[in-house]
Amino acid sequence: GQNIDQPTEMTATEGAIVQINCTYQTSGFNGLFWYQQHAGEAPTFLSYNVLDGLEEKGRFSSFLSRSKGYSYLLLKELQMKDSASYLCAVGRDNTDKLIFGTGTRLQVFP
Amino acid sequence: DVKVTQSSRYLVKRTGEKVFLECVQDMDHENMFWYRQDPGLGLRLIYFSYDVKMKEKGDIPEGYSVSREKKERFSLILESASTNQTSMYLCASSLSIDYEQYFGPGTRLTVT
Repeated sequence: GQNIDQPTEMTATEGAIVQINCTYQTSGFNGLFWYQQHAGEAPTFLSYNVLDGLEEKGRFSSFLSRSKGYSYLLLKELQMKDSASYLCAVGRDNTDKLIFGTGTRLQVFP
Repeated sequence: DVKVTQSSRYLVKRTGEKVFLECVQDMDHENMFWYRQDPGLGLRLIYFSYDVKMKEKGDIPEGYSVSREKKERFSLILESASTNQTSMYLCASSLSIDYEQYFGPGTRLTVT
């Protein structure tokens, strides 16, 4: 079957570093996306990994290991505005379709 | 800037009514998607279109149909709304397989 797992909730302190993990099992693999979704708003794109390794983009980095079916999103120097849900999504079936995880709700405290 | 717009932010309909949700994108994207988002279940794909008049079922197509007569517009139709279709509906578009999806603001549909 096709499945994506990520933790339901995480908490962290302003200024800290947090790592959100995602494991997946899908038929076919066309890359892994991370999206951020603030409460009541639409998801917005954060990162895309198709090859193994780390992609860095400012305070956010994303890592992929295809052999392990594993990715993580690393958020550094956390700010209050980073409180949101983070969605892991995998391209599958050699199509443009994505399967989404249920999201990780991150709360950042002062 | 890519813009994806949806016809309504909030909608209340009665059981059995026919419901149309409209989505328009302004970036000439080939692909358009309809999802629903429910607590604890995440985003689930209802239908996908990769070209005008072309459509493909997603993971939960039952009770829904779609229409794509023009490249920029993708409509989701609930032929006979039921209470279990109460949800947040999100439309998205993308250029192709290697590119991110851009989401509209969502329509919160309540069926009573």
